Amino acid sequence: AQSVTQLDSQVPVFEEAPVELRCNYSSSVSVYLFWYVQYPNQGLQLLLKYLSGSTLVKGINGFEAEFNKSQTSFHLRKPSVHISDTAEYFCAVILPRGGEYGNKLVFGAGTILRVKS
Amino acid sequence: NAGVTQTPKFRVLKTGQSMTLLCAQDMNHEYMYWYRQDPGMGLRLIHYSVGEGTTAKGEVPDGYNVSRLKKQNFLLGLESAAPSQTSVYFCASSDGLAGTQYFGPGTRLLVL
Repeated sequence: AQSVTQLDSQVPVFEEAPVELRCNYSSSVSVYLFWYVQYPNQGLQLLLKYLSGSTLVKGINGFEAEFNKSQTSFHLRKPSVHISDTAEYFCAVILPRGGEYGNKLVFGAGTILRVKS
Repeated sequence: NAGVTQTPKFRVLKTGQSMTLLCAQDMNHEYMYWYRQDPGMGLRLIHYSVGEGTTAKGEVPDGYNVSRLKKQNFLLGLESAAPSQTSVYFCASSDGLAGTQYFGPGTRLLVL
């Protein structure tokens, strides 16, 4: 079964600094990759997704992520963060070709981004 | 357009009690999902449905049942609640496998 590892449980950063949230997945076959954001006391919303094509994906709120097949990574970046980016970020994977957990999102444990002024 | 709504927002149960969580979506999506969120574990899929009248087990289905009698509704039932089911429950819907999943606001459940 595929799994998703988010390497940092918390990332503190000062406002206007760049940030990278790391995500690695384990799968030997093609996957679809997603980043979701959860603001306090809310549900999740999609930031961006990679299905195929260009490995650099741009999302909402100035975030982008790069798919690296050889390193099985999908790290999320933002060049300059704002206080309002404080939230929990989840990386997720779908294995589109079936298997035990095929066709279903598998989430990482989440990374809490804390932006300080 | 309300998107995905969940009822109730918060509930306290005693061990052994039963309850049903209701999820409704107005986007005409075929796929619907129930997740539970626990600290440090991300979201885990409980059950899902790929269309009206169909349901399937996810990663952590034990102790839960679901029904999808109408396309827009997906019900999650706990027949005999246990303290281990204390969690935040999220419903989501999507229009396909690679489609964006739209999440409801969540239901906080405390089982004493």
